[in-house]
Amino acid sequence: QSALTQPPSASGSPGQSVTISCTETSSDVGGYKYVSWYQQHPGKAPKLLIYEVYKRPSGVPDRFSGSKSGDTASLTVSGLQAEDEADYYCMSYAGSNNFVVFGGGTKLTVL
Amino acid sequence: EVQLVQSGAEVKKPGESLTISCQVSGYSFSTYWITWVRQKPGKGLEWMGRIDPSDSYTNYNPSFQGHVTMSADNSISTAYLQWSSLKASDTAMYYCAKQIDRAFDIWGQGTMVTVSS
Repeated sequence: QSALTQPPSASGSPGQSVTISCTETSSDVGGYKYVSWYQQHPGKAPKLLIYEVYKRPSGVPDRFSGSKSGDTASLTVSGLQAEDEADYYCMSYAGSNNFVVFGGGTKLTVL
Repeated sequence: EVQLVQSGAEVKKPGESLTISCQVSGYSFSTYWITWVRQKPGKGLEWMGRIDPSDSYTNYNPSFQGHVTMSADNSISTAYLQWSSLKASDTAMYYCAKQIDRAFDIWGQGTMVTVSS
């Protein structure tokens, strides 16, 4: 049972915006500012999109943005493009040993 | 260019041992932690643990503690993930990744491990 809950699926049409949520369901996770998001295309390794809640690595389009409110972090993809169709995972830390936890993943479909 | 290059796919029988590798280039290997992530077919990402290449300190997910061993060889900038006795349930893709600022910024291409009798 993941301590981070994501919707299993999300969808949107090209040009639209989609927001994927990531809710901390364990009291052991929370209050951390180290939420990150990863994009994974089929058969490929994950790619870092967002770190420390809202920061973007160089090379990641500004169509991808992150935010956090209370116990829910969010990834917003604006101006949806066909190549955005992929699985998206949130990640955070839990416990005094800073163990890593991943959300269950959200499959984004571009209609 | 920073790269993490993993060893090739493996097919093993239950009970056999296995070591897979992750060779880094483009930065000082000892500077950043290396983490390992498992992905079973059609499933999500699972964090297995991390190793600090500077001193080989390890931090394991309790779910994997005792079943795998992480190590590193600074002389050849390579991290390793080892099993002494594989199970069919170990069949998965395994990724190494470089950790920076509490995120995994560069990933290896993955090593597929298949365990079947």
